[in-house]
Amino acid sequence: GENVEQHPSTLSVQEGDSAVIKCTYSDSASNYFPWYKQELGKRPQLIIDIRSNVGEKKDQRIAVTLNKTAKHFSLHITETQPEDSAVYFCAATRTGSARQLTFGSGTQLTVLP
Amino acid sequence: KAGVTQTPRYLIKTRGQQVTLSCSPISGHRSVSWYQQTPGQGLQFLFEYFSETQRNKGNFPGRFSGRQFSNSRSEMNVSTLELGDSALYLCASSLAGQGAETQYFGPGTRLLVL
Repeated sequence: GENVEQHPSTLSVQEGDSAVIKCTYSDSASNYFPWYKQELGKRPQLIIDIRSNVGEKKDQRIAVTLNKTAKHFSLHITETQPEDSAVYFCAATRTGSARQLTFGSGTQLTVLP
Repeated sequence: KAGVTQTPRYLIKTRGQQVTLSCSPISGHRSVSWYQQTPGQGLQFLFEYFSETQRNKGNFPGRFSGRQFSNSRSEMNVSTLELGDSALYLCASSLAGQGAETQYFGPGTRLLVL
């Protein structure tokens, strides 16, 4: 089955700096890669996703890049703000009939004011 | 549209008991997936239901089961509870079909087994 590794497990940045979180996946058939943000005590919320036919996707201060050959994808947050502090999860899956996400272990991002 | 809802939000049970958790998907969503979240194991897929049929199942023992009703609402059941079943149980709903893989999560049910 699919295996997703996520690094780093914790990340502290100064407000205004950039943050980068990296994930690798094992199943070359995976073709959908969402990122979720989970604040303490709250539900995971989708912040951005990318499909394997695209190499990069941006949404304001958030971007995701995908390298299919190397089987890794990364989340980039620019101009970080204290409200970006949360746990971020990457995930991977094959599209098709089933809805089964394999998640990374999560990154605790802390933005220091 | 209202988001995914789960009931109850919190539950305390003792070992050996059984528990049923409920999930109501976003209106129009026909797929419901369940995940277990623990500090040690992270987010792990339990199973997925679509059109009242289990389409996929994760690596969990048979004590974990589920079902889906004709209105797409889903329940999961855990029998003979063990201490290690203490976790946040999340359900997620999505539309059917290709290109509609985005899953939207509910707030979760936090289960504590004593």
